[in-house]
Amino acid sequence: GQNIDQPTEMTATEGAIVQINCTYQTSGFNGLFWYQQHAGEAPTFLSYNVLDGLEEKGRFSSFLSRSKGYSYLLLKELQMKDSASYLCAALDSNYQLIWGAGTKLIIKP
Amino acid sequence: GAVVSQHPSWVICKSGTSVKIECRSLDFQATTMFWYRQFPKQSLMLMATSNEGSKATYEQGVEKDKFLINHASLTLSTLTVTSAHPEDSSFYICSARDLSGRDSDTQYFGPGTRLTVL
Repeated sequence: GQNIDQPTEMTATEGAIVQINCTYQTSGFNGLFWYQQHAGEAPTFLSYNVLDGLEEKGRFSSFLSRSKGYSYLLLKELQMKDSASYLCAALDSNYQLIWGAGTKLIIKP
Repeated sequence: GAVVSQHPSWVICKSGTSVKIECRSLDFQATTMFWYRQFPKQSLMLMATSNEGSKATYEQGVEKDKFLINHASLTLSTLTVTSAHPEDSSFYICSARDLSGRDSDTQYFGPGTRLTVL
């Protein structure tokens, strides 16, 4: 079956670095998305990886290893506003989104 | 875990026709479901919040007469795109909250429905 796994909750300190992991098993693969969702708001697009490697975008970076079915989102210089849920979603061979349950990131001062 | 399904997965229709998309919560009851549309590599745009047994709440700029939402049961919400036009071609995604779950704030997303209007 198709499955996405990511931790349910993580806690980090303001100013620190945190890595949110995501493993996936899908029928075919056409890329992986990371979204940020604040409570009560729609998810906002953070990144899309389809090739292996690290893509850096400001304080956020996303990594993909297709052979391992693994991705991570790296957040640097954490700010209180980064407290949110982070959703990992993979596109399967039919271009259907397979969603992770989301990782709730709690930032402490 | 909570599962949300959508039907159909993809649909191609002629301009001027109406298309109905179903969103189901398979193993939980969802008093609230959300409908989003997404353009490639962009954020999900919330269209409306669907509440079981009452009228949906539409976001600003979303035509309620064009995007009809019905949430007739605790496990099913439907979105009907009426008189579809090519600009309505998009990826429509629904989500639902499991209020009985450990974290009632968690939204579970459906796999999406790809609509192409010719």
